[in-house]
Amino acid sequence: AQSVTQLDSQVPVFEEAPVELRCNYSSSVSVYLFWYVQYPNQGLQLLLKYLSGSTLVKGINGFEAEFNKSQTSFHLRKPSVHISDTAEYFCAVILPSQKLVFGQGTRLTINP
Amino acid sequence: GAVVSQHPSRVICKSGTSVKIECRSLDFQATTMFWYRQFPKQSLMLMATSNEGSKATYEQGVEKDKFLINHASLTLSTLTVTSAHPEDSSFYICSARAWWLAGGLSTDTQYFGPGTRLTVL
Repeated sequence: AQSVTQLDSQVPVFEEAPVELRCNYSSSVSVYLFWYVQYPNQGLQLLLKYLSGSTLVKGINGFEAEFNKSQTSFHLRKPSVHISDTAEYFCAVILPSQKLVFGQGTRLTINP
Repeated sequence: GAVVSQHPSRVICKSGTSVKIECRSLDFQATTMFWYRQFPKQSLMLMATSNEGSKATYEQGVEKDKFLINHASLTLSTLTVTSAHPEDSSFYICSARAWWLAGGLSTDTQYFGPGTRLTVL
């Protein structure tokens, strides 16, 4: 069965510092992976997705993620965060049934 | 592109009443829409898959008679919470599926609405 694990429930960082949000997946078939961001009291916004091709995927707001098949990971990174990046981040994998399976979420808090 | 709207954004109702939530894909056609429920500080839980012109498919444990889903057109799906009770209070989010072609492969991406906060008194 396909599943996603986000290893950190909360990540506090200082403004302008780099950040990495970790995501590991389990799957016996080819995967399509996504990162979504949720700001307070809002829906989810797609940050980036990996479908095929280059393992380094660039998304919106300066975020990028690297698909690593050998480590079954899809970690999200940003070299320098801003206060406005404070939000909940969800990693997700899509099943053959086209349903999305989400990780538990990581709350990113940016401190001034 | 790929914008999804939800209406209303927030609703407060009395116990026993029914509430309808609309989900619209504004600039693309969505043959499939999904309804999720999110409790505070938790991840999203898929409630049902809504296919245009056919009956919705509900996840295990979701009461289909309580959460009525109608997908009457390629741009609109509605979720009606019937005889709402306080335990139905939650954040309801819909998503619409858009197809992409990438490297010769077809796949899909779900685009999410802004959510509806339901409070049942």
